[in-house]
Amino acid sequence: EAGVTQFPSHSVIEKGQTVTLRCDPISGHDNLYWYRRVMGKEIKFLLHFVKESKQDESGMPNNRFLAERTGGTYSTLKVQPAELEDSGVYFCASSLMPGQSEQYFGPGTRLTVT
Amino acid sequence: AQSVTQLGSHVSVSEGALVLLRCNYSSSVPPYLFWYVQYPNQGLQLLLKYTSAATLVKGINGFEAEFKKSETSFHLTKPSAHMSDAAEYFCAVTTGSSYKLIFGSGTRLLVRP
Repeated sequence: EAGVTQFPSHSVIEKGQTVTLRCDPISGHDNLYWYRRVMGKEIKFLLHFVKESKQDESGMPNNRFLAERTGGTYSTLKVQPAELEDSGVYFCASSLMPGQSEQYFGPGTRLTVT
Repeated sequence: AQSVTQLGSHVSVSEGALVLLRCNYSSSVPPYLFWYVQYPNQGLQLLLKYTSAATLVKGINGFEAEFKKSETSFHLTKPSAHMSDAAEYFCAVTTGSSYKLIFGSGTRLLVRP
């Protein structure tokens, strides 16, 4: 069974540009999460999808970030326009159920904004 | 509100020595607690979880953790460190009604030969 995959693994962009990160969850997992780790800080929750619906996007930093999950399968996270403080590692995770159910993490996308 | 504190951003042990990584949590409701490990260039992998059953939880790779409500702790231990245990370890908390994991800042474990 394939795990959670993320693309790209690394992205280097200039301030003001746009970047789109993609996450493919484990097949059959309705719950999909995005997290971010800024260098030297803890991993922080960004948002949670159940199928194609956003259940909680309270962790999204601002309106430059847009997450979608069309059809309830893969998800994209777009940053437009990117700022220096957006640099970090973006993790995607998926689970069968929320709460105590294990969240399976992808390898992350390392985003560097110069 | 929930929070997690991991004491020590870096821990260094000799191969064969006891590993002890500390985690304290804050939660107003019964928590679910997790330890994740991240090896270089990989995603986070679940080591073990506490979900209100046995307070001593055994995980993969010989790790275990004990939930101590009175101390609000969930420390991770392994009797004998192996070189392959070198990685970053994260403690996390959530609740039954929640879904987002609240992480500690992580502890990087270095194992000396």
